[in-house]
Amino acid sequence: DTGVSQNPRHKITKRGQNVTFRCDPISEHNRLYWYRQTLGQGPEFLTYFQNEAQLEKSRLLSDRFSAERPKGSFSTLEIQRTEQGDSAMYLCASSTQSGPYYNEQFFGPGTRLTVL
Amino acid sequence: AQTVTQSQPEMSVQEAETVTLSCTYDTSESDYYLFWYKQPPSRQMILVIRQEAYKQQNATENRFSVNFQKAAKSFSLKISDSQLGDAAMYFCAYRGYGGSQGNLIFGKGTKLSVKP
Repeated sequence: DTGVSQNPRHKITKRGQNVTFRCDPISEHNRLYWYRQTLGQGPEFLTYFQNEAQLEKSRLLSDRFSAERPKGSFSTLEIQRTEQGDSAMYLCASSTQSGPYYNEQFFGPGTRLTVL
Repeated sequence: AQTVTQSQPEMSVQEAETVTLSCTYDTSESDYYLFWYKQPPSRQMILVIRQEAYKQQNATENRFSVNFQKAAKSFSLKISDSQLGDAAMYFCAYRGYGGSQGNLIFGKGTKLSVKP
């Protein structure tokens, strides 16, 4: 399968714990995006990378959130000191700036986080 | 700031019939992209159709077509010959046109049910 993959698919944690999610984009895609989707809402943008550079961060991305994309390949999203309000689906998407799918974002299956 | 509004939380259609999902948006930009995404239950989001704002012709992809009214800032999705597999959440999304415009702005979604 050459699509976007995310791990883990589900994560249950206790309030105050740290969690880390991983996203592996489609191999030739240079852009990678993180979104958060809460129940009954559309996805909300968190941040995106072009290669290894983090180009934009949403105001939703508090100091407890950090994202990295070392070497411009996979990306990790870490949430420190989790709160119940962090419970959501975390979606990753990737895109390329060439070819017939120029700038089309392909989404992964998401990581569902539950904070108890 | 750009916003996307989907005023129909739920819609229902009989199999083989036609249904139209509504979307309005607000932007001060003249060039941008609009999208409809489909998110089946417990499955990843996929792109249904896209429209470039500079194109006057409405986009069509098989049974899916849009009615793009730029002056009215309206972007509706028509699904013809509805099939059971069309049942899903449908999200309308906006993206700016410039090279640095990465993120998608989503509406809250419309849940489409298809009755056999």
